[in-house]
Amino acid sequence: EPEVTQTPSHQVTQMGQEVILRCVPISNHLYFYWYRQILGQKVEFLVSFYNNEISEKSEIFDDQFSVERPDGSNFTLKIRSTKLEDSAMYFCASSGPGGERTEAFFGQGTRLTVV
Amino acid sequence: KNEVEQSPQNLTAQEGEFITINCSYSVGISALHWLQQHPGGGIVSLFMLSSGKKKHGRLIATINIQEKHSSLHITASHPRDSAVYICAVRQGGSEKLVFGKGTKLTVNP
Repeated sequence: EPEVTQTPSHQVTQMGQEVILRCVPISNHLYFYWYRQILGQKVEFLVSFYNNEISEKSEIFDDQFSVERPDGSNFTLKIRSTKLEDSAMYFCASSGPGGERTEAFFGQGTRLTVV
Repeated sequence: KNEVEQSPQNLTAQEGEFITINCSYSVGISALHWLQQHPGGGIVSLFMLSSGKKKHGRLIATINIQEKHSSLHITASHPRDSAVYICAVRQGGSEKLVFGKGTKLTVNP
């Protein structure tokens, strides 16, 4: 069964460092998303991406964050200068050509720890 | 802004019991998702609903659009069903999912 894969599964970084979280969405999917879950809290939307541009973003997704689909298969989330409060589980998701009318498939997540 | 409320927050059951988890939301939606999150953190999609009822194995999901309410039922519960069950909604015209806080289910043998 096709799946969304994320790497790494766990990343520890120093405050102020840049991190790149990587995702390989399901191959025929066209809509891509990043969500995050701070420990003990609910999952929050960060950004959606379609047709090589951001289609929607939350207030959390400020200038510190950027997304890219560099090569047609990977989908990345970059955090430029990490803060302690960026520590969370980050989930990538993708959905098919129907976008909001289709099911979203999630990756296993990347646990980011900022120290 | 859509608020998604789930009840109960925590649920402990004995193996074999029938389980119901509820979800209410405040604004009209285009779809409602039920998801499962295991202790390792990964999220698995169980159902996507926009009306009526869906069944997959021992899981049944229903939605009442007029009442802005959905339920997830598990029949003949088993310890391997122990997980956090999350309701998430998508509003028309938006791609983002708005999540509830989840219901932690523990099924004891």
